[in-house]
Amino acid sequence: EVQLVESGGGLVQPGGSLRLSCATSGFILSDYWMSWVRQAPGKGLEWVAKIQETGSEKEYVDSVKGRFTISRDNGKNSLYLQMNSLRVEDTALYYCARYSAYHLDYWGQGALVTVSS
Amino acid sequence: QSALTQPRSVSGSPGQSVAISCTGTSSDVGGYNYVSWYQQHPDKAPKLMISDVTKRPSGVPDRFSGSKSGNTASLTISGLRAEDEADYYCCSYAGGPYVFGTGTKVTVL
Repeated sequence: EVQLVESGGGLVQPGGSLRLSCATSGFILSDYWMSWVRQAPGKGLEWVAKIQETGSEKEYVDSVKGRFTISRDNGKNSLYLQMNSLRVEDTALYYCARYSAYHLDYWGQGALVTVSS
Repeated sequence: QSALTQPRSVSGSPGQSVAISCTGTSSDVGGYNYVSWYQQHPDKAPKLMISDVTKRPSGVPDRFSGSKSGNTASLTISGLRAEDEADYYCCSYAGGPYVFGTGTKVTVL
């Protein structure tokens, strides 16, 4: 059974940093592109970033470029999102999701990040 | 990377059909046949309903169907059921990044 479990969320002050982790199981992580998608409270889904199977290719939404870094450790079956210079508008539930071709076929339950002073 | 445009809400009675539009540009929806649709119930993770414009994953009822014309994709739910009441989001590949739609709330009257 495919499982994605996010962790590392919490409350952080503006300008601070946080690192999200996504533990995966039930499939071979190195066979898949992976992604982070976020959802602000009461708002819609926003695609954040994606990473190629070996980590050699990465893509980000413009609003997080230069502040967020997506990475992975296939040996540890884990995906990460390092978030620096956090802003109030980054407050959201962050989902880890698996790509199958050009769509997201499995999603985690999300990790809540709250940026507030 | 502007969000794709969806109607804020649509509604229908049980057994009826509803259609949700998803309008983008030639750089996303119109440029690729990589539009997917996701269903999200309150406080739940999104669930894939349609991939590659028209493909229905295993386990998704055939009441759900997708199509595309130009820069606009559509999701149609036929034979509406109470459990279809949820938020629906389209998503399109945009040549590197992806972009989601603004989301549509489907209400079953």
